[in-house]
Amino acid sequence: DAKTTQPPSMDCAEGRAANLPCNHSTISGNEYVYWYRQIHSQGPQYIIHGLKNNETNEMASLIITEDRKSSTLILPHATLRDTAVYYCIVRVETGANNLFFGTGTRLTVIP
Amino acid sequence: GAVVSQHPSWVICKSGTSVKIECRSLDFQATTMFWYRQFPKQSLMLMATSNEGSKATYEQGVEKDKFLINHASLTLSTLTVTSAHPEDSSFYICSASTSGRDTQYFGPGTRLTVL
Repeated sequence: DAKTTQPPSMDCAEGRAANLPCNHSTISGNEYVYWYRQIHSQGPQYIIHGLKNNETNEMASLIITEDRKSSTLILPHATLRDTAVYYCIVRVETGANNLFFGTGTRLTVIP
Repeated sequence: GAVVSQHPSWVICKSGTSVKIECRSLDFQATTMFWYRQFPKQSLMLMATSNEGSKATYEQGVEKDKFLINHASLTLSTLTVTSAHPEDSSFYICSASTSGRDTQYFGPGTRLTVL
């Protein structure tokens, strides 16, 4: 699976949109972009995933560039409970279902 | 939907004893379950993948005789840490999916401390 690059940390003011970038320049045509987050001392929580179209659900929006080499996770109205480490992962949908967790982005929502 | 539970949430044991951790999918049938380990301030590392009714596939460097995995039903997988030592102290997290290709949903984790 392709590797991803994320900034190690970001701050966001409470109530504002949090935009978390991810670079995946070596992504293959059959690889999806997944986002998980991990709140301290808990298991990771699935957020959203997509292939090439932008996606939105009750938690977040995922914007994938046309060349698919990067994406942005958007939390529209960040709350203090959104403070967590956010992981961007790319993986194929066939064969082994391994998720490679990199170092992620530590998002801190500030009151 | 897609709830995964783990039991116990934390455990403290003496060196040399064995510890069993359970992972259950509560509202879906998990044909594939995964076990991860996370040391302090590090990311999750996959230990093994198990398909219901089959032997687990272990990642390189993970001893299969030390970390026994059983996935006997579509809703339950167990990880047994045999002859635990202090260096096995870690946060163990399971995940489950309906097939090897689907989204993985994670349990809340089990914190193991070996004295």
